[in-house]
Amino acid sequence: GAGVSQSPSNKVTEKGKDVELRCDPISGHTALYWYRQSLGQGLEFLIYFQGNSAPDKSGLPSDRFSAERTGGSVSTLTIQRTQQEDSAVYLCASSLEAGLSTDTQYFGPGTRLTVL
Amino acid sequence: SQKIEQNSEALNIQEGKTATLTCNYTNYSPAYLQWYRQDPGRGPVFLLLIRENEKEKRKERLKVTFDTTLKQSLFHITASQPADSATYLCALRLNSGYSTLTFGKGTMLLVSP
Repeated sequence: GAGVSQSPSNKVTEKGKDVELRCDPISGHTALYWYRQSLGQGLEFLIYFQGNSAPDKSGLPSDRFSAERTGGSVSTLTIQRTQQEDSAVYLCASSLEAGLSTDTQYFGPGTRLTVL
Repeated sequence: SQKIEQNSEALNIQEGKTATLTCNYTNYSPAYLQWYRQDPGRGPVFLLLIRENEKEKRKERLKVTFDTTLKQSLFHITASQPADSATYLCALRLNSGYSTLTFGKGTMLLVSP
């Protein structure tokens, strides 16, 4: 079946512009996660959704970052007034249900964001 | 502070040998630990999960151990192949109240023919 998909695969933007990144989780997965990964760094947790609710937004680096999920499916991560330090690969993952003992996360290919 | 540590230096081994990767953690009492593989330009792929009450888990050429006293997990690939070359990430789910995974930075494995 289809895996997690993300769009765009690459995004180049100018400093100060807003960007929207999209994630389509695996059908039937109720939990959705956003991470970012900078060159040579590990996965940095940003936010997760269980259904349409975001119980944990603790990883969002600043109020320029926001995310929403509608219909328990597609999610968008929005970065306003982008800065050069926002350049990274943004990864989305989904799982059957957050908190399950076997909570295996399935990752998308990521969106590479470059802020000039 | 809470930490997950994996060797930042790449591990270089010869084809056919056993690769052993280490994941150490502090100040956690994880419910379980997972290992993922990540290839360049791709998202991580789940490999194995081991629970806190399990000492060892195997899957084909992979073996994971989990020592909650030492706060350490070892990840072994036996009869390694060049196709095993990738970055391997460990991830912990903390005990009660946490629904998310916390990832280590990963260790790159390079298997030479």
